[in-house]
Amino acid sequence: KAGVTQTPRYLIKTRGQQVTLSCSPISGHRSVSWYQQTPGQGLQFLFEYFSETQRNKGNFPGRFSGRQFSNSRSEMNVSTLELGDSALYLCASSSFASGANVLTFGAGSRLTVL
Amino acid sequence: KNEVEQSPQNLTAQEGEFITINCSYSVGISALHWLQQHPGGGIVSLFMLSSGKKKHGRLIATINIQEKHSSLHITASHPRDSAVYICVSGSRLTFGEGTQLTVNP
Repeated sequence: KAGVTQTPRYLIKTRGQQVTLSCSPISGHRSVSWYQQTPGQGLQFLFEYFSETQRNKGNFPGRFSGRQFSNSRSEMNVSTLELGDSALYLCASSSFASGANVLTFGAGSRLTVL
Repeated sequence: KNEVEQSPQNLTAQEGEFITINCSYSVGISALHWLQQHPGGGIVSLFMLSSGKKKHGRLIATINIQEKHSSLHITASHPRDSAVYICVSGSRLTFGEGTQLTVNP
């Protein structure tokens, strides 16, 4: 059974650009959640999607957005990148609601903003 | 005060020691997760529990919903257990700051 796949694994952008990250969940999982990890703030919840609907959202500005497709694959987008957006972005999938079900994490996408 | 607090922040042990990491949360939850993160970033879910106790190999997790407290225990610790251990409040997916565990041979 394939795990959670995140692409790209590494990327470098400059301030003001935008970036799109992809997350393919475990087959059969319908919930995908996204997280940001920085040295200063630790792990923070971005948002969760279930059956193409955003169920839950963390405390991030509107520059951070996401969506989920009918095959449960999810993308997150960050527009007008800032230096502080440099982070490891992780996604996790679960069969149902992320809070009450076992999470399986992807390896992450490491974003560097110059 | 953070909604989820872990202690200790850093822990160094000798191989074979019994280890306890604590997690306290301030908001009522339906479930709590324990995660393990190795250098390089990979995260593994160890436990998801909503009551009582769970055991997997040398790892044991307990939760007391009334006291809003959970513990992660590692028996017969091994250097390969060296990692960051993170508790997560399930209701709002709020993360503790993590406990850096180093087990020396």
